Amino acid sequence: GQNIDQPTEMTATEGAIVQINCTYQTSGFNGLFWYQQHAGEAPTFLSYNVLDGLEEKGRFSSFLSRSKGYSYLLLKELQMKDSASYLCAVRDNVRDTDKLIFGTGTRLQVFP
Amino acid sequence: DTGVSQNPRHKITKRGQNVTFRCDPISEHNRLYWYRQTLGQGPEFLTYFQNEAQLEKSRLLSDRFSAERPKGSFSTLEIQRTEQGDSAMYLCASSLAGGQGTQFFGPGTRLTVL
Repeated sequence: GQNIDQPTEMTATEGAIVQINCTYQTSGFNGLFWYQQHAGEAPTFLSYNVLDGLEEKGRFSSFLSRSKGYSYLLLKELQMKDSASYLCAVRDNVRDTDKLIFGTGTRLQVFP
Repeated sequence: DTGVSQNPRHKITKRGQNVTFRCDPISEHNRLYWYRQTLGQGPEFLTYFQNEAQLEKSRLLSDRFSAERPKGSFSTLEIQRTEQGDSAMYLCASSLAGGQGTQFFGPGTRLTVL
């Protein structure tokens, strides 16, 4: 089966660091993506991991462990504008498919 | 702006009516995807095209749904005999085949079926 789990909601304070975890069990794996989605808007691409390890991009970092089926998104120096939903998605490539399987998203609220 | 565009942005219709949505992908992208998203959930895959060929359809895509990409550029998604359960945000994304294949999303069409 296909299953992606991430916490439903998280809260944090402006200027702090927050880590959003994602665990997955999928038939195929060809990369893991993190997207940010503000209410009523489209998901926007944040990061991509296909090999184990950490990818850093400014205030955002993403980590992947394929053997554990685990990823996290780390947000540093939180700003109010970071209040949004964060979607973990696995790219499935079983039987030549090419689709993203999304978790339900983690709604992050940043407080002053 | 050269991102993914979708029209209309909002559609309100009565149950039983047909609706059609349009997606214009990023111009050099050969893959185009349709997803559906309901409140509090992540997007769910519906179908995707490589150029004009529809390569996969989800079991979520009942026979009331049809998608086309006639010239390998824009795509349309039609829902016939709409039901209240079809109310959702319909998202389109595009990508380049191969490599990282990052999918870039359009702003979506929000459908409300009364």
